[in-house]
Amino acid sequence: KQEVTQIPAALSVPEGENLVLNCSFTDSAIYNLQWFRQDPGKGLTSLLLIQSSQREQTSGRLNASLDKSSGRSTLYIAASQPGDSATYLCAVKESGYSTLTFGKGTMLLVSP
Amino acid sequence: DTGVSQDPRHKITKRGQNVTFRCDPISEHNRLYWYRQTLGQGPEFLTYFQNEAQLEKSRLLSDRFSAERPKGSFSTLEIQRTEQGDSAMYLCASSLEQGWKYGYTFGSGTRLTVV
Repeated sequence: KQEVTQIPAALSVPEGENLVLNCSFTDSAIYNLQWFRQDPGKGLTSLLLIQSSQREQTSGRLNASLDKSSGRSTLYIAASQPGDSATYLCAVKESGYSTLTFGKGTMLLVSP
Repeated sequence: DTGVSQDPRHKITKRGQNVTFRCDPISEHNRLYWYRQTLGQGPEFLTYFQNEAQLEKSRLLSDRFSAERPKGSFSTLEIQRTEQGDSAMYLCASSLEQGWKYGYTFGSGTRLTVV
């Protein structure tokens, strides 16, 4: 059974810092990995989707990498801003399954 | 298309009552998923549809839960005889059949509180 772990569970940084969120998964037979953002009490907003054949994806200040063989992904946020404060979730789409398996998320607080 | 829509945004109900949630997916997406998220946890899969066919149900989906997607468009999730443990955020997502290639789009969720 696929398990997705996100470390750290919570992170507090001052504005302007670069930071890295980690996601690990136990079964490397995945199609893709997707990073989402969730604001308190809200739904999920997709940030980046990395296919299993890709090593990284970039969108603005966000960069996500994938090392499928080691079961790891990182989300790099450059020059963090208070508006980046949210919970960040990673989810994997496994081969042979139609659904996503999520981690518990990393709660990020960026203080001005 | 404005994305995946869910209604209502919030629902407070007394224990034992029935509740129904609605999800309108992105129009060209033929797959629709329901997830449940409790506080401090990641979303957990409940069930999904391809067009009007319900293809998979999680063991989390007890007999009190039923989902439909008539005509392969919007979907409803009904919970009968609600219990306090049903309090959670219910999330709907949709995708093309090639969800592995294009990813999933989630709605804003319905927050259920059972008192």
